[in-house]
Amino acid sequence: DTGVSQDPRHKITKRGQNVTFRCDPISEHNRLYWYRQTLGQGPEFLTYFQNEAQLEKSRLLSDRFSAERPKGSFSTLEIQRTEQGDSAMYLCASSIRGVRDEQYFGPGTRLTVT
Amino acid sequence: ELKVEQNPLFLSMQEGKNYTIYCNYSTTSDRLYWYRQDPGKSLESLFVLLSNGAVKQEGRLMASLDTKARLSTLHITAAVHDLSATYFCAVDPEAGGTSYGKLTFGQGTILTVHP
Repeated sequence: DTGVSQDPRHKITKRGQNVTFRCDPISEHNRLYWYRQTLGQGPEFLTYFQNEAQLEKSRLLSDRFSAERPKGSFSTLEIQRTEQGDSAMYLCASSIRGVRDEQYFGPGTRLTVT
Repeated sequence: ELKVEQNPLFLSMQEGKNYTIYCNYSTTSDRLYWYRQDPGKSLESLFVLLSNGAVKQEGRLMASLDTKARLSTLHITAAVHDLSATYFCAVDPEAGGTSYGKLTFGQGTILTVHP
């Protein structure tokens, strides 16, 4: 399977705990994006990387959210001190920077904060 | 702030009928995407529209883009049950020909096709 993969697919955590999600993009893609999707809504952009550089992070929801892409390959999204409002689907997408810049989405990580 | 609005939000269709989903957006952009999402699944790319007047067709779906009106349409022809899903449009607030990839999505249109 050469698509975008995400791990874990489901995460249940208690309020106040930290969680980390991983995304592996399609191998030749140089852009990687994180989105959050809550029930009944469209995905909401959080941040993106071009290679290892994080080009936009102002949309991260609070300073509890951070993302890395240390070697320009996989990426991690960390949420510290989780709150119940963080419960959502976290989607990763990747693309090749170019005319089309078509984003391919992974299966998502569903986070439930109890 | 870029706003993307879809209508209708819910669409119940009979098999064999035609219908159109509308996507309006609030700022200049030449780059619009359509995605499909099945329940509990991720998003599947359907169409990439990159210029005014762009029209793309795949099977029973046809998408078009009017950048002057800031409007895209997704037309469904002779609907079949397999088209039941949620459809999203997404706009890239492109500036100067550079794609930023920071997509803003509409709320989605939940399509149900009945026999």
